[in-house]
Amino acid sequence: DVVMTQSPLSLSVTLGQPASISCRSSQSLALSDGYTYFNWFQQRPGQPPRRLIYEISNRDPGVPDRFSGRGSGTDFTLEISRVEAEDVGVYYCMQGTYWPRTFGQGTKVEIK
Amino acid sequence: EVQLLESGGGLVQPGGSLRLSCEVFGFSFSRHAMIWVRQAPGKGLDWVSGIRDSGINKFYADSVKGRFTISGDSSKNTVYLEMKNLRVEDTAVYYCAKEGYGSGFPWGQGTLVTVSS
Repeated sequence: DVVMTQSPLSLSVTLGQPASISCRSSQSLALSDGYTYFNWFQQRPGQPPRRLIYEISNRDPGVPDRFSGRGSGTDFTLEISRVEAEDVGVYYCMQGTYWPRTFGQGTKVEIK
Repeated sequence: EVQLLESGGGLVQPGGSLRLSCEVFGFSFSRHAMIWVRQAPGKGLDWVSGIRDSGINKFYADSVKGRFTISGDSSKNTVYLEMKNLRVEDTAVYYCAKEGYGSGFPWGQGTLVTVSS
């Protein structure tokens, strides 16, 4: 199974400041057809997860443009350009290239 | 509008069984990959099982292989997770979700399974 490793596991950020979360996979998530099925999810307290980013860098509908994703192969990054209070929660990466799917451990984001 | 509604959770003794249901609205699940994900209290997301290709292909996490079975009934637009020989460590909120790329990745609200004597 593909192991997804996130860092850091917790992040304390000042409102309006940027934040960055990394995720590394144990093998390349890139397929020969050019697609890389890599996702970022946000889970706010008491809510189900919500996907923010798919295929490394594509924002889902309704996701603010302060969220962006980048990376390739085995190394991926989620960036929040200016953290807002509503961004508090846990962020997970998930690979969708291979079965079984696998998640990272999660990164807890809080406001300093 | 796309919606997923899980049901079937509850309290069960170790070694017992439960069947979870995920009724979907606004799309035909047989045309998409559907997954079950669980979250133990205070813990992270744990992928459990997936089904695709109109139910032909099924996948399981090693931790549930041989104990859990995923299936679907297109006439009821419902995906099931049959869970047997439940263990204390299976205690979690179980979510179903529809995989999608460009068409969203909606989740249900979850159903709580508690395995305890």
